[in-house]
Amino acid sequence: ETGVTQSPTHLIKTRGQQVTLRCSSQSGHNTVSWYQQALGQGPQFIFQYYREEENGRGNFPPRFSGLQFPNYSSELNVNALELDDSALYLCASSRGGGSFQETQYFGPGTRLLVL
Amino acid sequence: AQSVTQPDIHITVSEGASLELRCNYSYGATPYLFWYVQSPGQGLQLLLKYFSGDTLVQGIKGFEAEFKRSQSSFNLRKPSVHWSDAAEYFCAVGAPSGGGADGLTFGKGTHLIIQP
Repeated sequence: ETGVTQSPTHLIKTRGQQVTLRCSSQSGHNTVSWYQQALGQGPQFIFQYYREEENGRGNFPPRFSGLQFPNYSSELNVNALELDDSALYLCASSRGGGSFQETQYFGPGTRLLVL
Repeated sequence: AQSVTQPDIHITVSEGASLELRCNYSYGATPYLFWYVQSPGQGLQLLLKYFSGDTLVQGIKGFEAEFKRSQSSFNLRKPSVHWSDAAEYFCAVGAPSGGGADGLTFGKGTHLIIQP
């Protein structure tokens, strides 16, 4: 069984640019959640996708957007990058539409640096 | 809105000694409670979770946690730590009312250092 994978592992962008991060879900999982983890902080929930639709969102501005594809892989897009967007971005996949009864499996993350 | 406090930023424990990591939460009712571990270059791994029932829950790698409603706490324990337990530990809560779509709220983490 393949675990959750993310690409790229590291990324450097400049302020104002746009970035796309990718996540491949674990086999059989239909739900993907994205989290932002700033240095020295715990992860913060960005949003969740289930059956290709956003079904939950944290306190992040609209320039953070996402997609989920029919194979349940997902993308996180961030427009107009700001210095504070520098962080580790984690995705997590699970079954069951995001129910907490189902375990979330996290990928290793993409580390984004905005200069 | 729920919140999580992990009072200890760093904890140093000798190998073989017992461990307790503290977690306090704020939520109007009983939330779902989780402990995750994060090693360098690794994603978060679930150690254990509490939804209801027995307040002492067993997890992987010899960890356990106890839910205490009166103290709004969910402390993680291990009777004897190994050098491989050195990592960052996160306590998290989930709101049952949201059905999971609101995501987890994490604490800031406790960095565990193991002394030989």
